[in-house]
Amino acid sequence: RKEVEQDPGPFNVPEGATVAFNCTYSNSASQSFFWYRQDCRKEPKLLMSVYSSGNEDGRFTAQLNRASQYISLLIRDSKLSDSATYLCVVYSGGYQKVTFGTGTKLQVIP
Amino acid sequence: DVKVTQSSRYLVKRTGEKVFLECVQDMDHENMFWYRQDPGLGLRLIYFSYDVKMKEKGDIPEGYSVSREKKERFSLILESASTNQTSMYLCEQGYNEQFFGPGTRLTVL
Repeated sequence: RKEVEQDPGPFNVPEGATVAFNCTYSNSASQSFFWYRQDCRKEPKLLMSVYSSGNEDGRFTAQLNRASQYISLLIRDSKLSDSATYLCVVYSGGYQKVTFGTGTKLQVIP
Repeated sequence: DVKVTQSSRYLVKRTGEKVFLECVQDMDHENMFWYRQDPGLGLRLIYFSYDVKMKEKGDIPEGYSVSREKKERFSLILESASTNQTSMYLCEQGYNEQFFGPGTRLTVL
């Protein structure tokens, strides 16, 4: 089983729709969780951190479910500019324990 | 703003050539990383360094080496480039939050 797994998509959704991605992780000792956004041919950039209590930033909501070992990202009222690949990142402590998911591709359609 | 810069955005090299990829960060941070990113495989860690002159192998170090002579500079070296090293190479610095350079798209012919 991969350490961090994401559905690669693509998720094709109309503008204004709500879309959610999940990311599962295998290491129960994982400590920190993040969502990154990567545009085509660009580097990944931090979108938001994921806290146990949940984290909301405008149209974006991130949740952590430690019992089931997954994190989620919810995007409400999708915009064309949200089209990108969303990477989940799991940090398990130590310098080499940053693990990236392979990403979920989102395409928002007019 | 954190700045991580990489020496080239696009690079084309021939099989057998020695290739240097340079990365410079301005955060005075100890931790620096080199990844390659390939479709369907995601980001894979090649090497990392948590101090000057220190280096540690990541998940896929074969065919690569690194150099960290100064804190702000972390170089990735392909001793003898091969076609399977054609990829996007991303330098990163950070501990919890990660900051990436813009990437170098290397093509080995």
